[in-house]
Amino acid sequence: QKEVEQDPGPLSVPEGAIVSLNCTYSNSAFQYFMWYRQYSRKGPELLMYTYSSGNKEDGRFTAQVDKSSKYISLFIRDSQPSDSATYLCAMIEGSNYKLTFGKGTLLTVNP
Amino acid sequence: DAGVTQSPTHLIKTRGQQVTLRCSPISGHKSVSWYQQVLGQGPQFIFQYYEKEERGRGNFPDRFSARQFPNYSSELNVNALLLGDSALYLCASSFDGAGEAFFGQGTRLTVV
Repeated sequence: QKEVEQDPGPLSVPEGAIVSLNCTYSNSAFQYFMWYRQYSRKGPELLMYTYSSGNKEDGRFTAQVDKSSKYISLFIRDSQPSDSATYLCAMIEGSNYKLTFGKGTLLTVNP
Repeated sequence: DAGVTQSPTHLIKTRGQQVTLRCSPISGHKSVSWYQQVLGQGPQFIFQYYEKEERGRGNFPDRFSARQFPNYSSELNVNALLLGDSALYLCASSFDGAGEAFFGQGTRLTVV
């Protein structure tokens, strides 16, 4: 079992839809959780960073962490064509500073 | 402020050659990490350096090495290149290695 599992997608939605992206993890030592957006052939861009269970909102983006279920989500409201990208979840243990990534979900928002 | 800068952006090398990739972190950040991303996969951790010391190493062969300089910039070296080393190499900058990590645009290495 991989440490981080991410819904493979691809995901295609109409403009204005609410998008839900999810990851599960098996390592209970993960303490910090991030979501990155990666456009084709570019470096990942940090969208959200959180370290506690619950919700964190930033504009159209909401990150949700449920440590008891080892499950994290990213919600995108009022999705736009410019949101079309690959979304990567990533996690860090408290004592091990490496980022462990999911495989990524390719999202397409259709005008 | 400038973000994380990596050079070169693209590189083509022949099997068996050696390559050096460079990274300058965000001003004030003391930690640099290197990741390898092959097509269709998430980035895989190679190294992390903090205050010029190696803090962590991923599951990569000894052909991969890195260092961090007094100005916190970093180099990743790969010797005896294999076709399988073709990937996007990403540098991540963070203040202390444990918090938010910001990535550069990457160096796309093609080994032929």
